[in-house]
Amino acid sequence: KNQVEQSPQSLIILEGKNCTLQCNYTVSPFSNLRWYKQDTGRGPVSLTIMTFSENTKSNGRYTATLDADTKQSSLHITASQLSDSASYICVVRGGDIPTFGRGTSLIVHP
Amino acid sequence: DGGITQSPKYLFRKEGQNVTLSCEQNLNHDAMYWYRQDPGQGLRLIYYSQIVNDFQKGDIAEGYSVSREKKESFPLTVTSAQKNPTAFYLCASSIAPGTGSYNEQFFGPGTRLTVL
Repeated sequence: KNQVEQSPQSLIILEGKNCTLQCNYTVSPFSNLRWYKQDTGRGPVSLTIMTFSENTKSNGRYTATLDADTKQSSLHITASQLSDSASYICVVRGGDIPTFGRGTSLIVHP
Repeated sequence: DGGITQSPKYLFRKEGQNVTLSCEQNLNHDAMYWYRQDPGQGLRLIYYSQIVNDFQKGDIAEGYSVSREKKESFPLTVTSAQKNPTAFYLCASSIAPGTGSYNEQFFGPGTRLTVL
């Protein structure tokens, strides 16, 4: 069964600090991996996407990595801001329907 | 102004009543999806449609129904048979699977349904 596991479940950091979120997956076949940001009470918005041949992708202060051999991805947030407080969801697409992780809830404190 | 819209944002329903959630998109996407989100859980697929007049059940279709009479619209009805309907419902759309562009799903703002 296709699965996407994210860790940690929740994370609290101080403004200005860096953090890294993890995603492990067992989706086969693999097409792409996407990280979404979901603000409370809103729909998810795509941050990055990576295919099998890509191992790093940046979007401003967000940098995603992918190790297709170990089936792991990470999302690194640099110099966190209060607006980074949100849920971050890892989504892996193999066939027609993507598989969603449960998300990591990030809280950034001033 | 292109995008995907859902209405209403908040919805209250009495037990035993059916209720319909609206989802409209003007992105010319072929595929549309309905997800349910509960606290601490990932998005779970209710129904999806890859083409007009056709749709498939997702992982948790029991107690829900959909229609896809127009490309732009994919309404979801939560029936009285759904035992625990209180949740946040998200609609999404994408180009047809297999047609490239990495099939990004664009999400609507969501509808929060509360059963009283």
